[in-house]
Amino acid sequence: SQQGEEDPQALSIQEGENATMNCSYKTSINNLQWYRQNSGRGLVHLILIRSNEREKHSGRLRVTLDTSKKSSSLLITASRAADTASYFCATEIGSVLANTGKLIFGQGTTLQVKP
Amino acid sequence: EAGVTQSPTHLIKTRGQQATLRCSPISGHTSVYWYQQALGLGLQFLLWYDEGEERNRGNFPPRFSGRQFPNYSSELNVNALELEDSALYLCASSPHRRGSTDTQYFGPGTRLTVL
Repeated sequence: SQQGEEDPQALSIQEGENATMNCSYKTSINNLQWYRQNSGRGLVHLILIRSNEREKHSGRLRVTLDTSKKSSSLLITASRAADTASYFCATEIGSVLANTGKLIFGQGTTLQVKP
Repeated sequence: EAGVTQSPTHLIKTRGQQATLRCSPISGHTSVYWYQQALGLGLQFLLWYDEGEERNRGNFPPRFSGRQFPNYSSELNVNALELEDSALYLCASSPHRRGSTDTQYFGPGTRLTVL
């Protein structure tokens, strides 16, 4: 089964609104990453948050991590039509001294931003 | 800086044939990862190569194999193709350092269709 579970599966908002996506995972992680995928193309890396971090910002993106609840959220502020895409969280398990190289992806949230 | 490149963009094969997919990592990156994104199954980890060696393997049959060349580029070979191998195959690279976890940067993918 997938390590990451995203919620909601689909989200439709108007341009200018904020979009929040949530990700839950099951086991201890080294880090959690968020990616964007446009129309079945390659993944674009958005942000990486390490297990000892609680919040990170990058432009209009804000990511939080709660390791006690095994959950993360991605907030996109002032959304644009160009933000329309699928968003995935990915976790890497294993210890820092013994990387597995394996990212485990959630099923993704499909975001539609209407102009 | 050039990103991860993959070739070909699309590949059409018939059942039983062999497919070869290629990936060039970002300059300076020594680790290459392969993932399969099949409809309904999400993104699944296939293989991880670092400095010419296979470091980890996902839950795929042995007919999925690959290698990494001295220039760190990589090939993924799929033998005895089956219809369910139809998927988007994504390659990623990272500047792997032992004792550290790094962002994986993805290429645009190769769309493999098995008829």
